Order: sequence, then C-alpha cells, then structure tokens
Amino acid sequence: KAGVTQTPRYLIKTRGQQVTLSCSPISGHRSVSWYQQTPGQGLQFLFEYFSETQRNKGNFPGRFSGRQFSNSRSEMNVSTLELGDSALYLCASSLDGLGVTIYFGEGSWLTVV
Amino acid sequence: DAKTTQPPSMDCAEGRAANLPCNHSTISGNEYVYWYRQIHSQGPQYIIHGLKNNETNEMASLIITEDRKSSTLILPHATLRDTAVYYCIVRGGGKLIFGQGTELSVKP
Repeated sequence: KAGVTQTPRYLIKTRGQQVTLSCSPISGHRSVSWYQQTPGQGLQFLFEYFSETQRNKGNFPGRFSGRQFSNSRSEMNVSTLELGDSALYLCASSLDGLGVTIYFGEGSWLTVV
Repeated sequence: DAKTTQPPSMDCAEGRAANLPCNHSTISGNEYVYWYRQIHSQGPQYIIHGLKNNETNEMASLIITEDRKSSTLILPHATLRDTAVYYCIVRGGGKLIFGQGTELSVKP
C-alpha cells in the first residue's frame, strides 16, 4: 500500500509570505503528526491530529498551524515566514494508540529567502 | 526535553554486528522505546519498537534491560547501506521526542 505522501517536495518562499504543506497518511491511519527538522535544532514535534482534532502540540509559535480533514489528510500552514523557518517538514501517520508503528513521509523542503 | 541519551557517533566494520546503545533512565511504565534511522535528506525510517520484552524483526533486534532504563539496537550484519543517523525515542503519548541520535558509519 502507498506510504505517507507529502507535497510539495521542494519549495522556495520569500520572507513574510505564507506556505501550506500537505500530507496524505497511509490508508486507514487516523493519526497524523508533523515535525520540523533543522540542522541546529534537530527533529522537533509540531503537532498531532486525530479525527480532525489537534491532540498534541509542540512549542512553536502561533504562526504554525494545521488541520486535518475527514479523510485524515492533513495540512500545515506557516504564516509570515521567517528565514529560520527554512527546514525539512516531515509528516508521520499511524493507526493510533501506544505501541503502534509510526511511518514518516519523505518530507517537504522549505527554503525561505 | 529529549528523554534519551545516545553516543553521537559510532563506527562499525561491514559484516559485523552494530550495537547501538541508548539510555532512557526516566522512562515511564507505559512508554515505548522506538528506533528510527535517517539517511541524509530522507524521512526517518522505522526500525523496531518495544515496551519491555526483547524484540526482533527482519531489520534488527532490540534488547531492553529489565529495569527499562536502557536499550540496545543490534544490526546483526551491518552493510554500507546501514550508514545513517539512528534515533532512539521514547514515545510519550502521541508524539515522538527525538534526541540527537547516533551517526553510524559502516566501513568496508
């Protein structure tokens, strides 16, 4: 079956703009989470959605937001982009619950200039 | 607030077993230990996870100490393609808390 799919894979934005990234989880998976990876901070948890509700949230400013649709697909949005938002944004999906396998997509590379 | 400690780097000879240690002394009773690896510029790849029993799959074995304060990932016959950053993660609820990982270099 298809894995976690993220679009777009690469994008370049200008400071002050906003960006929307999309994630399609593995079929049947209801939990979707987002992570940011930068060379300086490593992999950091952004937020998790389950059944269209945000269930967990990391320590990121309000410029970072997300949502999940009824088909479990998810989007994340970053408004008023800053140079420091340049990163690899990773989406992960799982069935739900503890002790289950969590699968990652290949990520979206965002460059802010 | 990573809950795990790993050596920053390790080397391993091709064909030999790679043993990657991880300390997670503050792990709670219902928290699982997960291992992922990440090859440069790709998404993290799931390897294995466990709660308190040792686990084995086609990729690796996971040995968890009885007090659950540490674990070891074993790649039985390392190949050059196993060169990657390996993350030991304690799963707290719906999120994975990544540390800095161990950069494993498999050498011919």
